[in-house]
Amino acid sequence: KNQVEQSPQSLIILEGKNCTLQCNYTVSPFSNLRWYKQDTGRGPVSLTIMTFSENTKSNGRYTATLDADTKQSSLHITASQLSDSASYICVVSDRGSTLGRLYFGRGTQLTVWP
Amino acid sequence: EADIYQTPRYLVIGTGKKITLECSQTMGHDKMYWYQQDPGMELHLIHYSYGVNSTEKGDLSSESTVSRIRTEHFPLTLESARPSHTSQYLCASSERSGGDLLVNEQFFGPGTRLTVL
Repeated sequence: KNQVEQSPQSLIILEGKNCTLQCNYTVSPFSNLRWYKQDTGRGPVSLTIMTFSENTKSNGRYTATLDADTKQSSLHITASQLSDSASYICVVSDRGSTLGRLYFGRGTQLTVWP
Repeated sequence: EADIYQTPRYLVIGTGKKITLECSQTMGHDKMYWYQQDPGMELHLIHYSYGVNSTEKGDLSSESTVSRIRTEHFPLTLESARPSHTSQYLCASSERSGGDLLVNEQFFGPGTRLTVL
């Protein structure tokens, strides 16, 4: 079972609308949680990173929240644009190894229609 | 945008061919990684390196091999490609030390889409 679960698997919204993507994780001990944006045929690019003590982080129109107690995170996208169409991947890092192992979710495929 | 490069971006080859996927980074990072990603699935770590002359296998078993002769270069080789190797291969790099965030901040290349016929 994957230690990082994302929902929904896919989402279609109209340009200008807001949306929220969800991430639940079981990774322990927890180090940090990142949201990545991956355009089709490209590598993931980091949007936000949050440690245990942070519960919200913004990057332009992207706002991530973290509840370390319930092990849940969300990514809220405001006033969506066509360029937001991509896969959004939740990535959790554990504290237990020098490698800094990353656990990847399968991503939410977001499509923004004009 | 991260200074990490992968070539080729796309590769279509026949079964049995030997191939090498190139990955280079100009950030001076010690750690480098290879991931395999199938459509709609999570990234799986197949190889990583702590530095020059260091290579380790990742979580997902892979028939590929890697080498790390120079800090900036981390090529992946398949001696005899098969259709089951068809996938996207992503290379990444990160700093070796400096605290949690620096250890885990991985920068990804654009990927190589491999198709084996």
